[in-house]
This record gives sequence, structure tokens and C-alpha cells, in this order.
Amino acid sequence: DAGVIQSPRHEVTEMGQEVTLRCKPISGHNSLFWYRQTMMRGLELLIYFNNNVPIDDSGMPEDRFSAKMPNASFSTLKIQPSEPRDSAVYFCASSNDRGRGLRGYTFGSGTRLTVV
Amino acid sequence: RKEVEQDPGPFNVPEGATVAFNCTYSNSASQSFFWYRQDCRKEPKLLMSVYSSGNEDGRFTAQLNRASQYISLLIRDSKLSDSATYLCVVKAGGTSYGKLTFGQGTILTVHP
Repeated sequence: DAGVIQSPRHEVTEMGQEVTLRCKPISGHNSLFWYRQTMMRGLELLIYFNNNVPIDDSGMPEDRFSAKMPNASFSTLKIQPSEPRDSAVYFCASSNDRGRGLRGYTFGSGTRLTVV
Repeated sequence: RKEVEQDPGPFNVPEGATVAFNCTYSNSASQSFFWYRQDCRKEPKLLMSVYSSGNEDGRFTAQLNRASQYISLLIRDSKLSDSATYLCVVKAGGTSYGKLTFGQGTILTVHP
């Protein structure tokens, strides 16, 4: 079991550039979650998918953020244009209990984003 | 009021000490409860689920009080390797999908 795989591990970009974060969930997991973590706000849920369908995107900060899950083994989180306040660690997580949260999630190692 | 609130600490304890963390949640319809552990610059990892009857896993004991909307984690005989941030996690009720809400975390440092 390779776990949840995220790429890149680190990203440094200039303000205004497009950033794309990638996630491969654990095979067989049917729910996928994108979180953002900062010192000030802790872990915040941005969006989650169940069976590749976005269920709740109320945590997405604004229109600059978008997420897709074209198939069961891949998801992207895109920020366009990026701003310095987007600097954070972005985690992807997956679960296999139909998203009922009974077993918790498995997190990827995260992408540390710095926007300068 | 935050959905999940924890004492941020930090807690600094010597090896062998017993330490307890508390957490409160605001949604009385919450259904599932967990403790996660996060090491510095690492991802959160599931430590244990929390059941209504209370449950134990080695040196770790979790308790849930639904009436008070209160969750606790007790660590006995603490080790240096227990140093980490402990996150209280709650699954909201009223939905069939597992949206988990995380507390801000409690920092624990165990020293020799």
C-alpha cells in the first residue's frame, strides 16, 4: 500500500502564477479530501469528493481555487492566480468508508506552498 | 464558537509522567470522534478512535462524554517519542459523508 501520494512536496512560486497540486488517493478509497494548514487557522477542509463527485466545496476560499477529480485515482487542486496569503501546507486525504468518517482519513505527506 | 476547541498548550512533561488533553465540540449531533497525532512538518496520522464507552490502546486512553460534549486523551508513562501535536477530530452529524473537523491541536513536549 503506497499510501496517499502528493506532488510536488515543495513549491515556491511568484505571486500571480498558476499553481497545480496533485494527489493520488489510496487504491480502493472512494472519498478524497483537500485540506489546508496554517499556523493561524490550523487544518481547514477546502473540498471533498465522494466517488469522484464534489460533495462540499464550501471551504474553498474564493474563485481562484478550483479542484477536480477526473477519475478515482487522481485529483488536482489549482490556484490561479496565486497570492502570498495562499502560502500554507496543502494536504490530501482519502478514506474508504463511503465518506462516513467512521475510520478517519489517511493523509498524504502534503505540499508546502510558498508564494512570494 | 469554534466547532472543536482544544487547549493549545504547550504541555512540557518529564518522561514517565501522565498527561491529559481535553477537547470540547459544539455540535451535539456529532457522530464520530478521533485523536490524531502530527509530528513537526509531517502529516496528521490517526492515533485512535474514541468510543462512547471509552477505549484504551496501550498507554493511551480516550474518553467521550456526549452530555458535556467533551473528549479526552490520557497518556500514561510518557515517552520522548510522544512529543508531537495532538489533534482532536469530530465528524459532523446530519450528513452521510464523512466531513471531519480538526481542533487547533495541543502541543506536547516530553523531556528527559
